[in-house]
Amino acid sequence: DVKVTQSSRYLVKRTGEKVFLECVQDMDHENMFWYRQDPGLGLRLIYFSYDVKMKEKGDIPEGYSVSREKKERFSLILESASTNQTSMYLCASSPGFRREGGEETQYFGPGTRLLVL
Amino acid sequence: QKEVEQNSGPLSVPEGAIASLNCTYSDRVSQSFFWYRQYSGKSPELIMSIYSNGDKEDGRFTAQLNKASQYVSLLIRDSQPSDSATYLCAVKTQGAQKLVFGQGTRLTINP
Repeated sequence: DVKVTQSSRYLVKRTGEKVFLECVQDMDHENMFWYRQDPGLGLRLIYFSYDVKMKEKGDIPEGYSVSREKKERFSLILESASTNQTSMYLCASSPGFRREGGEETQYFGPGTRLLVL
Repeated sequence: QKEVEQNSGPLSVPEGAIASLNCTYSDRVSQSFFWYRQYSGKSPELIMSIYSNGDKEDGRFTAQLNKASQYVSLLIRDSQPSDSATYLCAVKTQGAQKLVFGQGTRLTINP
C-alpha cells in the first residue's frame, strides 16, 4: 500500500510566522505535489516536484516555497504566514513517467488543517 | 471555460438506487481519467482510473469514458449511506505530470 504521511493534522500559527509542512512517501515515487483545498474553490495546485531538487509552480505559488532534498520528502514553506493561507493542505505523490509501467495515479496524505491567526 | 467541470450538487439519491456522477473536460488530448472519493474532513482516495473508451467495472462502481464527447462518468449501483461523500473527477493530459481536478460533486444517499 502506498503511504503518504504529513507531519501534522492540525496546526495553529500566527500571522508573520514561518511555517513548515512536511510530507513523506514510502513508495519511491518520482512526483510529489502540494495542494490547498478551500470550500467552493476545490483543489488547487501550489507546487509540484518531479525529481529531487526539482520543482515547478502550480496554479497558486504566491506566498509559498518548497524544498525537495530527498526523494521521499517534500516540504511546503510559508515564508510569512497570512490569514488568507488558512486552509486544508494536501500532499500527494505519484509514480512518475520514468518508472516502467508507471502511471499517474496520485495518492494523497491525510491533510494538514492550518489556521493562521 | 473550466478545464474539468462537474455539477457541484448536492445530488440526492435514495438508498439502493443508482447514483450517476458526470464530468466533462475541455482538453481533447486528455488521456487518463480518475475518480476520487472524499469524505468530509478527509483526504481524497482513489476509486477508479480509466484510460480507454467504454466501461470499466469494479464492484458496485462503473466508470464510463467517451473521449469523442469529452465526458467521463461514475455510476454507483446499490447506493449505500456510506457512499455519501464528495466525488472528484481528475484528468491528465498527454505529457503532463499533474492532474486537473474538477470542483467535485457532493453526493448524499438517503436511507
